[in-house]
Parts: sequence; C-alpha cells; structure tokens
Amino acid sequence: EILLTQSPGTLSVSPGERATLSCRASQSVGRSLVWYQQKGDQPPRLLIYGADTRATDTPARFSGSGSETEFTLTISSLQSEDFAVYFCQQYINWPYSFGQGTKLDIK
Amino acid sequence: QVRLQESGPGLVRPSETLSLTCTVSGASMTNYFWIWLRQPPGKGMESIGYISYTGTTNYNPSLKSRVSLSVDTYRSQFSLRLTSVTAADTAVYFCARCSSTSCLGWFDPWGHGTRVIVSS
Repeated sequence: EILLTQSPGTLSVSPGERATLSCRASQSVGRSLVWYQQKGDQPPRLLIYGADTRATDTPARFSGSGSETEFTLTISSLQSEDFAVYFCQQYINWPYSFGQGTKLDIK
Repeated sequence: QVRLQESGPGLVRPSETLSLTCTVSGASMTNYFWIWLRQPPGKGMESIGYISYTGTTNYNPSLKSRVSLSVDTYRSQFSLRLTSVTAADTAVYFCARCSSTSCLGWFDPWGHGTRVIVSS
C-alpha cells in the first residue's frame, strides 16, 4: 500500500497570509492525487483532483501542484473559512490511501 | 444535489458483526461506483471497499476476509458488513460516491459519517 505522509501536522497561519501544505508519497503516484478539506463534523469536501485541477466551487486561492512523490497544496490568502483539516489521497493503486492530515490553525 | 446518509448501530460488541447502510438521495445509483471508508480516532482515512450499481466489488486486502458490500438500487442503498469486529474497528464510517465509472479516482460527495464504537 502506498504511504502518504503529510507535513506539517499542524500549521498556524494568520488570516490573509499564505499557507503551504505538503504530501509525500512512498512511491510514484504520477498525478493521481486529490486534496480534501474537512471541517469539524462535516464530511470531507473535494478541493483538488489530478494534483492540480480545482473542483467545481473550489475558490481560486487554492492551488495544487506536484507529481510523482511530492505534492503541495497552497492557499494564497487565508480566509476565516479555510481553517480546517486538509488531507491528500492517491488513486493510482488500490487500496486508495490517505495522508494523516494537516490541521490549519489560526495564528 | 446528491446526498448520502449513513445509518446503523453506534455500538457493536467485540466479535460481532457491524452492519451499516448508506442511503443515496437526489440522484440515481446507476452508472456509478460507491465506496465505504473509515477513520479511526486520531488516524488517517482508510478505504474499506467499493461496489458498483450492478454489484461488482473490490475490497481492501487488509479487510477482505471480514468485509462484504451489497447494493439495492431499488431502495437507493448500499451496505457494509464487517464480521468479527475488535476495538481496532472503532472508527467513523463514511460512504461516498466514486468519481468515475470504475472507482478509479476520488470521492464526491461523502456522507456525514457515523461513529461506531466496538466495546462490550
């Protein structure tokens, strides 16, 4: 099973600042990587698929990049509604695996 | 708008069988694959298995001996059975729709999840 490691575990950023989240795969997943956002008890919300394609309704301040084993989710200017947990998922190999998540906190 | 809702007991005794149902509303189940996932406390999400609207399944090898999925398109439901549960099966269980007709991809939308505790 492909292991996805996210860093940092917690990231404290001030509103309006830029946040950069990392997801590293134990082997190449090509561009078969997704990012989700999860707030509290809400279900995960799809943000980015195919490593860099924004899902419908994902604001333009969210961008994904990377390929093979190194991926990044960048939020260019944090809004109050962006403070949440973000996790990545690969879909090149079954079972599809997930990162542990990065919690984005208000600084 | 497609909505998914998990239902089932929140407490299961060790060694017994966990049974959950996901009810789909707002769209037909036809032409899609549907997946169960879980998130143990303090851990990452885990894929359990997926099923097509025709009943084709694929299970996580780590759970394959204990899991079975079924689908009832007439009731717009798909279900999970996990046998011989232990405390390690304590988790929030989610159902979701696969993005592609082969479940090669991402999941959207998701249900809100249902918390299951395995304890005597």
